Amino acid sequence: EVQLVESGGGLVKPGGSLRLSCATSEFTFSRYSMSWVRQAPGKGLEWVSYVSGSSRYIYYADSVKGRFTTSRDNAKNSLDLQMNSLRAEDTAIYYCVRVKGSWYADFWGQGTLVTVSS
Amino acid sequence: QSVLTQPPSVSAAPGQKVTISCSGSTSNIGNNYVSWYQQLPGTAPKLLIYDNDKRPSGIPDRFSGSKSGSSATLGITGLQTGDEADYYCGSWDSSLSAVVFGGGTKVTVL
Repeated sequence: EVQLVESGGGLVKPGGSLRLSCATSEFTFSRYSMSWVRQAPGKGLEWVSYVSGSSRYIYYADSVKGRFTTSRDNAKNSLDLQMNSLRAEDTAIYYCVRVKGSWYADFWGQGTLVTVSS
Repeated sequence: QSVLTQPPSVSAAPGQKVTISCSGSTSNIGNNYVSWYQQLPGTAPKLLIYDNDKRPSGIPDRFSGSKSGSSATLGITGLQTGDEADYYCGSWDSSLSAVVFGGGTKVTVL
């Protein structure tokens, strides 16, 4: 069974940084694109970023562009999200998802909570 | 304000049918595939429908998807109490080079 396990969430002050990681297993990681999707408390889903299998294509939501960086290590089967200049509105559960086709998320991690507050 | 528009809530009695609409534009639904996700309370979302109308293995045929023009619809027949959840549509938006989601629809079984 495909496994996606996020880590690195926590409480951070506005303007601070945090790095999320997603450890994957039970599939050939390098063959799949990956994304981060977040969900603010009591709100809907918001796509954050996309990275192709080779990292050739990387896209970001306008709300995080220039502040967040998505990267992957195919040798370690892991996906990262470096988040800088964090704002209160970045408070959310962050999900690591496996992507197929033109974009659909066929597997989701359990999520990691990021809270930005002073 | 979400790029894709869904009704905030729908409801029906057990055994009945509900439909959830998802309205977009030519830059997303009109020219790209739609997927649907179910989020049960306190859990991560789960893929229900992909490529407009395909069900992953393990998803019962009570769930169906369709697309017409720039709109899509999720149907749930034989409604069960276990179907109470939030449902989201999603699609790639070619103009934004971004994934867009609907605001979500809460399904209540009366």
